Amino acid sequence: DIVMTQSPDSLAVSLGERATINCKSSQSVLYSSNNKNYLAWYQQKAGQPPKLIIYWASTREFGVPDRFSGSGSGTDFTLTISNLQAEDVAVYFCQQYSSTLPTTFGQGTKVEIK
Amino acid sequence: QVQLVQSGAEVKKPGASVKVSCKASGFTFTPYTMHWVRQAPGQRLEWMGWINAGNGNTSYSQNFQGRVTITRDTSTTTAYMELSRLRSEDTGVYYCARVRAGYSSGWYVYWGQGTLVTVSS
Repeated sequence: DIVMTQSPDSLAVSLGERATINCKSSQSVLYSSNNKNYLAWYQQKAGQPPKLIIYWASTREFGVPDRFSGSGSGTDFTLTISNLQAEDVAVYFCQQYSSTLPTTFGQGTKVEIK
Repeated sequence: QVQLVQSGAEVKKPGASVKVSCKASGFTFTPYTMHWVRQAPGQRLEWMGWINAGNGNTSYSQNFQGRVTITRDTSTTTAYMELSRLRSEDTGVYYCARVRAGYSSGWYVYWGQGTLVTVSS
């Protein structure tokens, strides 16, 4: 299976500042058949199911604020939260959704307010 | 609107089985594949398997092979996940989730609210 490793495990950011979360896959999730990265990001708040933020590595889900952005390709990806708001406090996960291998998730990154 | 409503919390003894339901509404059930994902305390999300709601085909994670069975009832638009030979490490929240129509894999826009399963003697 593809192993997803996130860094850091947690970070504290001041309100209005930028949070950057990294996700590395053990093998490329860029598929040449359609030149897309099979990588999604989720936000999970306490007691709630995960909420989809980004898919295809950089496509923002409908209704997600534009302060959330995704980038990267191949094996290295980044989720950036610009202008951090209090409601962004949560755990963030990356997921690879290969069509040929089982889907797997990163271990999560906890974002707090400094 | 799309809703996935799961059954309530369960407490089971080691060695027992648990069956969790996921009632789908707000969309046509059969074009979709329904997945089950587990979140154990302090662990990452773990995919368990999926079922094609239309033809009933299934795929399971090797980590649960032989212990998990996913079924569906199209008349009630409900998916089920049964996990047998429970052990303490199976304690966690179990989610059903839906991918895009016509695909067996992908990202999850819609999730159930989660069902807490506690395995304790």
